[in-house]
Amino acid sequence: DTGVSQDPRHKITKRGQNVTFRCDPISEHNRLYWYRQTLGQGPEFLTYFQNEAQLEKSRLLSDRFSAERPKGSFSTLEIQRTEQGDSAMYLCASIHSGANVLTFGAGSRLTVL
Amino acid sequence: GQSLEQPSEVTAVEGAIVQINCTYQTSGFYGLSWYQQHDGGAPTFLSYNALDGLEETGRFSSFLSRSDSYGYLLLQELQMKDSASYFCAVRDKQAGTALIFGKGTTLSVSS
Repeated sequence: DTGVSQDPRHKITKRGQNVTFRCDPISEHNRLYWYRQTLGQGPEFLTYFQNEAQLEKSRLLSDRFSAERPKGSFSTLEIQRTEQGDSAMYLCASIHSGANVLTFGAGSRLTVL
Repeated sequence: GQSLEQPSEVTAVEGAIVQINCTYQTSGFYGLSWYQQHDGGAPTFLSYNALDGLEETGRFSSFLSRSDSYGYLLLQELQMKDSASYFCAVRDKQAGTALIFGKGTTLSVSS
């Protein structure tokens, strides 16, 4: 088990471009979460999957954001028409239902110029 | 909705004891968690309290009082490597199973 993997680790893009992040959770974890974290703040919940079903989305999640987990394994988070305010660390975490310990990946840092 | 309050910064010296408090408001309480995050790193799990009382794990302990909607993380025998941000987090009924994090407390340990 290699933990939660995220790719890319860093992404610099120009405003208006689309970006996609990938997360590979721990294999036996059926729940996967996306969070966003800006400097000096705690992780902010974006969305959550149980297996391939997207069960929850934060009301703060703009319609420019979309996430998928097509086969209940890896997940992608896409941001369309990026804005400077999207600059943040995007964290993925996974957990097995019934457990209490979220395991986070190292994150994907997005910089929008 | 939910909200968590914790101090923004705490400073201490090596060998000291530090307590980081957390008060919370939730619409349905499922437990209080603590996570540690070093600069540039991922948050990592420290402890979880579902019931009132003290949970001890090595140099770290965590306490919960559900009647007071309050908990704390106690760090003993501080080491330089404990310099990090510490987040309390709750699962809230309105947010389903997602953990909702506080803004974090930055602990600086000096020699």
